[in-house]
Amino acid sequence: DTAVSQTPKYLVTQMGNDKSIKCEQNLGHDTMYWYKQDSKKFLKIMFSYNNKELIINETVPNRFSPKSPDKAHLNLHINSLELGDSAVYFCASSQDTSGRGYNEQFFGPGTRLTVL
Amino acid sequence: DAKTTQPTSMDCAEGRAANLPCNHSTISGNEYVYWYRQIHSQGPQYIIHGLKNNETNEMASLIITEDRKSSTLILPHATLRDTAVYYCIVRVEYNFNKFYFGSGTKLNVKP
Repeated sequence: DTAVSQTPKYLVTQMGNDKSIKCEQNLGHDTMYWYKQDSKKFLKIMFSYNNKELIINETVPNRFSPKSPDKAHLNLHINSLELGDSAVYFCASSQDTSGRGYNEQFFGPGTRLTVL
Repeated sequence: DAKTTQPTSMDCAEGRAANLPCNHSTISGNEYVYWYRQIHSQGPQYIIHGLKNNETNEMASLIITEDRKSSTLILPHATLRDTAVYYCIVRVEYNFNKFYFGSGTKLNVKP
């Protein structure tokens, strides 16, 4: 059973389009995240949601809008895609909700987004 | 941003211990040290974490110096499947799980 799953695995699209990436976790975790890994392989946190509430938003353009319909899902919607949005996007989840103590994040397999 | 320094790459012979160093000289008293790894094209995977004491689990051992300014991840018997990028992360506590990944160390395990 996949713990954290993402769809699609690959996404190729044109500049200016709007696209969504879906993430689901079946671990019963309360916190979910989106990370972006660019071509230089730097992995940067974008958003974190705890029980459907936004708790981290790291200077991400407002073209990126996370949506959490329930605590098992955190989808990423991107408007007006730009060339610089090309990257691998990883979803993750963790049990820790207090911001303290042990925090093991479980990552999904990633979605490779290519903007042409 | 990440407050850790790691070598860019390291080689290790299969079956030998891999010792991956990390410098975190500005670490504060309530910050944990975490290690994750990322095998090519996969999502990062948790390995181990610690605060002050040395830690060991089924994957690795974590040695933290007494002043906590550096640590070493030890893979006791490296295999080819351990080839990956290893990230040392200092977690800012009370900041709702902010994780800052640096550039990591690419460990090449060779036969």
